[in-house]
Amino acid sequence: DAGVIQSPRHEVTEMGQEVTLRCKPISGHDYLFWYRQTMMRGLELLIYFNNNVPIDDSGMPEDRFSAKMPNASFSTLKIQPSEPRDSAVYFCASSPPRLNRNYGYTFGSGTRLTVV
Amino acid sequence: QQPVQSPQAVILREGEDAVINCSSSKALYSVHWYRQKHGEAPVFLMILLKGGEQKGHDKISASFNEKKQQSSLYLTASQLSYSGTYFCGTESSPGGATNKLIFGTGTLLAVQP
Repeated sequence: DAGVIQSPRHEVTEMGQEVTLRCKPISGHDYLFWYRQTMMRGLELLIYFNNNVPIDDSGMPEDRFSAKMPNASFSTLKIQPSEPRDSAVYFCASSPPRLNRNYGYTFGSGTRLTVV
Repeated sequence: QQPVQSPQAVILREGEDAVINCSSSKALYSVHWYRQKHGEAPVFLMILLKGGEQKGHDKISASFNEKKQQSSLYLTASQLSYSGTYFCGTESSPGGATNKLIFGTGTLLAVQP
């Protein structure tokens, strides 16, 4: 298994531009999570999906952020328009069905976003 | 609210032991522990379910006291490879498992030769 795959690994963009981050979860994992990591705030949960359905988006900072999961193998996190304070590492993670309680999250390698 | 970890940072010599604590203000269903090396993604170490269980593999073990809403991670005879930032992730749900984790503030562990 290739693990959780995120793209791009690095993204540098100008303030005001649209940014799209992509994630492919592990096959068979029915939970998908988007986290943001900064020095000041640590690992923050933005949104998570179960079976492609958004369950909790209370962590999404504002309307500029949106996430979709059109099918079991793909999710996107979009920021429009981007601002310098959005600069962070964005992680996608997936986990197996709730019944399999001996396994935790598997994280992707992350996308380091810099907004200038 | 984010679980609080203590200490914030610890420096050890190889072979020494360390304890990292995680405390939540909410009732907990489960606690996860992860290790993150610099520039990498967090890696799952273990999960503890409510019931006060303890777990371990190799020289890393953990306990979970659901009444106190606390968990501790024990690293014995530390190795250089143990260096990194350790995070607890807590699952709080009065109604049962949600699979949603809130991560703690992190503990930076540095093991020196």
